[in-house]
Order: sequence, then structure tokens, then C-alpha cells
Amino acid sequence: DTGVSQDPRHKITKRGQNVTFRCDPISEHNRLYWYRQTLGQGPEFLTYFQNEAQLEKSRLLSDRFSAERPKGSFSTLEIQRTEQGDSAMYLCASSLRDTQYFGPGTRLTVL
Amino acid sequence: KQEVTQIPAALSVPEGENLVLNCSFTDSAIYNLQWFRQDPGKGLTSLLLIQSSQREQTSGRLNASLDKSSGRSTLYIAASQPGDSATYLCAVLAGNNRKLIWGLGTSLAVNP
Repeated sequence: DTGVSQDPRHKITKRGQNVTFRCDPISEHNRLYWYRQTLGQGPEFLTYFQNEAQLEKSRLLSDRFSAERPKGSFSTLEIQRTEQGDSAMYLCASSLRDTQYFGPGTRLTVL
Repeated sequence: KQEVTQIPAALSVPEGENLVLNCSFTDSAIYNLQWFRQDPGKGLTSLLLIQSSQREQTSGRLNASLDKSSGRSTLYIAASQPGDSATYLCAVLAGNNRKLIWGLGTSLAVNP
């Protein structure tokens, strides 16, 4: 399978715990995006990497959120001290030019 | 600031009807526009992508049009089927970092 993969697919955690999600993009894609989608809403942009450089961060990405893309390959999104409002679907996409390819998403539930 | 609006928010039709979903955007400086399908609790399935220089794209029973100057796109679904029931999302690719800006979606129910 050469598509975008995300792990885990589902995560249930208690408030206050830290969680980390992983995204593996299509191998030759230099651009990587994270989006978040809450129930009943459209996805919202969180952050963007070109190779290993994080070039844009949304104001939605509070200090509790951090994203990395070491060596310009896979990316991780970490949420520290989770809150119930963090419950959402976290979507990763990669692209080479102007077509973004999406992974299946990680659904986070914070109890 | 680019904003994307989708109308209607929800739509319920009997099987077999032809239907139109609408998407509008406030800034015509886009690279492309994409329509996605999302089933409840699931990820996104890309349906059609229209480049900014194109007017329409077709795939099977789906046809999407783009009028960049007026900031509008429509998704036309012919001969709707119960399996078409899902949320349809419109997104424009814009900005220096080519990020997608999304509408809230249209929730479609096709009744047998």
C-alpha cells in the first residue's frame, strides 16, 4: 500500500494524559499537512511541513500541541495534557504539488 | 481571509432524483477546488478535483463545475442512490503554503 497511513486509527485517553499520533506520507511527497475535524464541522488546518521544516502553524495549535517531521519523512503530532475539547478526528495529508492525499485519520476521544 | 460556504447544510431526497450541492468561496485566488465524500465516523474520499484553469470535471454520475470569477462551484449528482448518503465537503487550495480551506459540508440522505 503506497498511500498515506496514520497510526493509531483510534485513541481513547483520559483528560490530562499525553498522546502522540503518527503519519507516514507517500514516500516522494515533500509536503505534509495536519488537519483537525470536530463533530459536525469541516476539517481545519493545523500545521504544514515542507520536508523537515514546519512552515506554518494555525492559531488552533496551542502550546499543548507540537508537531515534528524529522528527516522530512514521517510526522508526529503530540498533544500534552489532553482536554475534552481535543476530541476530534486528526487528519494527515501529503502532496508533491497541488493534490493532497489523505490518510484514514486518527479519532481521538478524551474522557 | 478565504471562507468557504456550503448550501444546503442538509438535504433529503427520494432515490432517483438529480441533485445539486453548492459551494461558494470569498477569494478567487485559488489553485484548485476539490469535492470530498465522508461517511459517518470515517475519513475523506476525494471525488473530484478541478484545477483553477478548468471549468468542470466528471466522474460517473458526478459532475463538478467551477466558476472562479464568481467564487462558486456546484456538485451535480445524477440519479441518486441510497449509497450516495454521506456528507459532501468542498475545499479550496489557497495561500502561499497551499493549504485546504474547507466548508462545513452538506449532509445528504437519499431515501429508498
